[in-house]
Amino acid sequence: EAGVTQFPSHSVIEKGQTVTLRCDPISGHDNLYWYRRVMGKEIKFLLHFVKESKQDESGMPNNRFLAERTGGTYSTLKVQPAELEDSGVYFCASSQGGGGALNEQFFGPGTRLTVL
Amino acid sequence: QKEVEQDPGPLSVPEGAIVSLNCTYSNSAFQYFMWYRQYSRKGPELLMYTYSSGNKEDGRFTAQVDKSSKYISLFIRDSQPSDSATYLCAMSASSTGFQKLVFGTGTRLLVSP
Repeated sequence: EAGVTQFPSHSVIEKGQTVTLRCDPISGHDNLYWYRRVMGKEIKFLLHFVKESKQDESGMPNNRFLAERTGGTYSTLKVQPAELEDSGVYFCASSQGGGGALNEQFFGPGTRLTVL
Repeated sequence: QKEVEQDPGPLSVPEGAIVSLNCTYSNSAFQYFMWYRQYSRKGPELLMYTYSSGNKEDGRFTAQVDKSSKYISLFIRDSQPSDSATYLCAMSASSTGFQKLVFGTGTRLLVSP
């Protein structure tokens, strides 16, 4: 079974440009999460989708970040316009969902974003 | 103040040593306590989790949670070079399992042959 995949693995852009990160969760997983790790800091929660709906977006840093999950399958995270402080590794995770399940989150390898 | 504190290391030990990794936390609402292992250029993978206080053992790994002290530990017995990785503690306040994880910064472990 394929794990969580993320694309691209690495993106280098200039300040002010737009970047879109993609996450493909494990097939059948209803829950999809985005996390971010900036240099030297801990991994931080950004938001949580249940199917196509945003369940919790309390970790989104500002309105330059837009996450979507059309059709409840893959998700995109767009940063527009990118700033220097957006550099870091963006992780996506998915979990199965459903009542009574622990909903272990399986993480993708991350997208390393560098804003110059 | 961070919700979860973890010494970043690195922690260097010889093969066969017992390793102790620790985290402290401030949010008493945390109910699930997890340890993730992360190899370079990979995503975190779940090693073990504990619900509320107590101990849990899985092979060479033992997880302990002391909610009264807000302190969690991971012990690795007979450490191997393949255990060299970054170990992240994570916590969740959700009563329904792993939601909105709060991570420590991770401790880098190096096990030398």
